[in-house]
Amino acid sequence: DQQVKQNSPSLSVQEGRISILNCDYTNSMFDYFLWYKKYPAEGPTFLISISSIKDKNEDGRFTVFLNKSAKHLSLHIVPSQPGDSAVYFCAATFRGAQKLVFGQGTRLTINP
Amino acid sequence: DTEVTQTPKHLVMGMTNKKSLKCEQHMGHRAMYWYKQKAKKPPELMFVYSYEKLSINESVPSRFSPECPNSSLLNLHLHALQPEDSALYLCASSRLDGGLGNTIYFGEGSWLTVV
Repeated sequence: DQQVKQNSPSLSVQEGRISILNCDYTNSMFDYFLWYKKYPAEGPTFLISISSIKDKNEDGRFTVFLNKSAKHLSLHIVPSQPGDSAVYFCAATFRGAQKLVFGQGTRLTINP
Repeated sequence: DTEVTQTPKHLVMGMTNKKSLKCEQHMGHRAMYWYKQKAKKPPELMFVYSYEKLSINESVPSRFSPECPNSSLLNLHLHALQPEDSALYLCASSRLDGGLGNTIYFGEGSWLTVV
């Protein structure tokens, strides 16, 4: 049972445009959500997070939106840059848990 | 400062060898983790240490043996591995303050090849 799903294995966006990566979850106990970016041969780098008491969190070019009723979150990157090309993992956890549940990842390619 | 350092970056070992992966963090985090990642897959949790005690073992085979000598260091001892154990091994750390949401920070990983 996949509790965190990223339904798009890949996404291609033109440089300068907005990239939108989506993530759905099924476990209503999740109350903290994270996005990680991963380049080949490197460990995942933490990008941005959001707790369930918020519906939006911004950090520079990155914004995460959380829709609790739909059990859906999205990561917006604007403007997209070539260095944003990577695999993006959505992850979820809940208070007291020490486990992150990861989605399968979305490979983002930014085209010049 | 989100630095978790892992050594070695690359390791090739035979199936009869004994080797160790090492991890260090200086963020004052009291939880440390070992994850395993295969190509095109998300990271998979192996072990969690909380306050230097093993708190989670995700049914990992005994050929992987974790050790937490102190709050900053985490080792993974490897013995009699199989070729299918070849993967990127990730160390990570996080706070343990019981608040809403403790971000887990990953190191760059150790690439292990078993021949």
